[in-house]
Amino acid sequence: KQEVTQIPAALSVPEGENLVLNCSFTDSAIYNLQWFRQDPGKGLTSLLLIQSSQREQTSGRLNASLDKSSGRSTLYIAASQPGDSATYLCAVVATSGTYKYIFGTGTRLKVLA
Amino acid sequence: GAVVSQHPSRVICKSGTSVKIECRSLDFQATTMFWYRQFPKQSLMLMATSNEGSKATYEQGVEKDKFLINHASLTLSTLTVTSAHPEDSSFYICSALTLGFTSNEQFFGPGTRLTVL
Repeated sequence: KQEVTQIPAALSVPEGENLVLNCSFTDSAIYNLQWFRQDPGKGLTSLLLIQSSQREQTSGRLNASLDKSSGRSTLYIAASQPGDSATYLCAVVATSGTYKYIFGTGTRLKVLA
Repeated sequence: GAVVSQHPSRVICKSGTSVKIECRSLDFQATTMFWYRQFPKQSLMLMATSNEGSKATYEQGVEKDKFLINHASLTLSTLTVTSAHPEDSSFYICSALTLGFTSNEQFFGPGTRLTVL
């Protein structure tokens, strides 16, 4: 059974810091991995989607890497801003069984001005 | 990008009533839609997978007679919470899987906040 874990569960940093959020999954047989952002009481905003054949994706200040063999992904946020404060979720789609996302436990990020 | 809407965005109902939540793909056809539930400060948990024209597949522990799912067209899936109770209060989010896209990306709706009194 696929399990997805995110570390740390919560993070509070001063504005301007570079951050690394971690996501680990137990079954390396995945189609893709996706990072989302969720603001309080809101839905999900897709940040980056990494296909199983890719090693990283970049969008603006965000960079996500994928190491399938070790079952890990990292989300790097450069020059953090207060507006980055949110919960960040990673999700994987396994190649076995039905096509469905398994979500991680999330990291609650707070960037202080 | 592909857009998924949900209606209503927020609903408050009395215990024992039924509530229907709609999930629509606005600018694409979705053969498969997914329903998730999220309790406060927890992650999203998949409830069921809905395929157009066929019965939904429910995850273990999810009562199919309580959470009725209908996927009547390629752009609409509905989730009906029957005889709702306070423990059903949660944030319900749907997603839709696109046709014809190589990335097989799911697009998520904005969610529906259900409060059962």
